Amino acid sequence: EVQLVQSGAEVKKPGESLQISCKGYGYSFTGYWIAWVRQMPGKGLEWMGIIYPGDSDTRYNPSFQGQVTISADKSTTTVYLQWSSLKASDTAVYYCARHHDYWGQGTLVTVSS
Amino acid sequence: DIHMTQSPSSLSASVGDTVTITCRANQVIGIALAWIQQKPGKAPKSLIFGASSLQSGVPSRFSGSGSGTDFTLTISSLQPEDFATYYCQHYAAYPHTFGQGTRLQIK
Repeated sequence: EVQLVQSGAEVKKPGESLQISCKGYGYSFTGYWIAWVRQMPGKGLEWMGIIYPGDSDTRYNPSFQGQVTISADKSTTTVYLQWSSLKASDTAVYYCARHHDYWGQGTLVTVSS
Repeated sequence: DIHMTQSPSSLSASVGDTVTITCRANQVIGIALAWIQQKPGKAPKSLIFGASSLQSGVPSRFSGSGSGTDFTLTISSLQPEDFATYYCQHYAAYPHTFGQGTRLQIK
């Protein structure tokens, strides 16, 4: 069974760094693009970027370029989303999604002083 | 960026009704379009890809059509579990932007 399992909720302070993860199960991890999608409280879905774990080819939405880093580790079948300095406006639920089909359960990130 | 516009933003319908949601791209995207359902507090669920191909396990009352710039999602014989927010998303070019969503409510 294909599954994307995301890491748990995080509470951070502004300026802190953070990495959240998305682990793939039940399929050939290196053969499918994985995207990250942001959903701010009460708002719609925003596409942040996508990575191909086979060769780590990564494409960013210009709106998020430089604000986050997407990476992948083939050995652990895990994709990561990383911030070096969080802002309060990063408070949102973040989803990973295999291109077109399967979605992770979401990770709530709360940034508050 | 390719901009996706959905209409209506919200609609009310009754169980058993047939509803149609439209999605328009501001550039030609071929059939590189997906429809996604999201229920409150839940992760999104992919329904359709390639404008009209149902994901595995999606009921046949869901259907998609269109190509180029104009697309529709039709839900026939609405069931209680269909009341949710629906998003279109293109994947013709980066970034793969979403429409703003259509909230389907029970009348």
